[in-house]
Amino acid sequence: EPEVTQTPSHQVTQMGQEVILRCVPISNHLYFYWYRQILGQKVEFLVSFYNNEISEKSEIFDDQFSVERPDGSNFTLKIRSTKLEDSAMYFCASAGPPKTSGGSYNEQFFGPGTRLTVL
Amino acid sequence: AQTVTQSQPEMSVQEAETVTLSCTYDTSENNYYLFWYKQPPSRQMILVIRQEAYKQQNATENRFSVNFQKAAKSFSLKISDSQLGDTAMYFCAFAYTDKLIFGTGTRLQVFP
Repeated sequence: EPEVTQTPSHQVTQMGQEVILRCVPISNHLYFYWYRQILGQKVEFLVSFYNNEISEKSEIFDDQFSVERPDGSNFTLKIRSTKLEDSAMYFCASAGPPKTSGGSYNEQFFGPGTRLTVL
Repeated sequence: AQTVTQSQPEMSVQEAETVTLSCTYDTSENNYYLFWYKQPPSRQMILVIRQEAYKQQNATENRFSVNFQKAAKSFSLKISDSQLGDTAMYFCAFAYTDKLIFGTGTRLQVFP
């Protein structure tokens, strides 16, 4: 069964450093997302991406964050200058093309997450 | 703005018993989707069940069923015949656009 993969599983970085989190979505999916979960808290939406551009972003997704689909298979989240409060689990998700009949919601499939620790 | 509230931080149930997890939400939209996600200790988010707001019939997936009360904006999850493998965090989520909005979660412990 196809699945979303994420690398690395755990990233440790120093405050102020740049990090890139990588995701490989399911191959025929067109919609991509990043969520984060600070330890012990709820999962929060960061950004959605479709047709090579951001379709929606949250207040959390400030100028320090960027996303890219550099080669048609990977989907990356970059944090330019990490802060202590960026420590969290980051989940990538992808969704397929719209259904042609019935409900129009496209189920999001989540990756296993990358745990980011900023020291 | 849409919000999702889970008022039970923790629940426990004995194996083979039934447990119900509560969720309420707030929205002014009429067409939307509701979900329950399971997050086991491995931290991966797994979709358990979903409900389209335009459908009156409650969704069912094997041992999992929902009680969707649109007027009350309530969306509870019932787990029947609980199994040890059901031990996990359970998140209720709402979607109007394709952005998922999650509640704070309920930690469910299934005891033998």
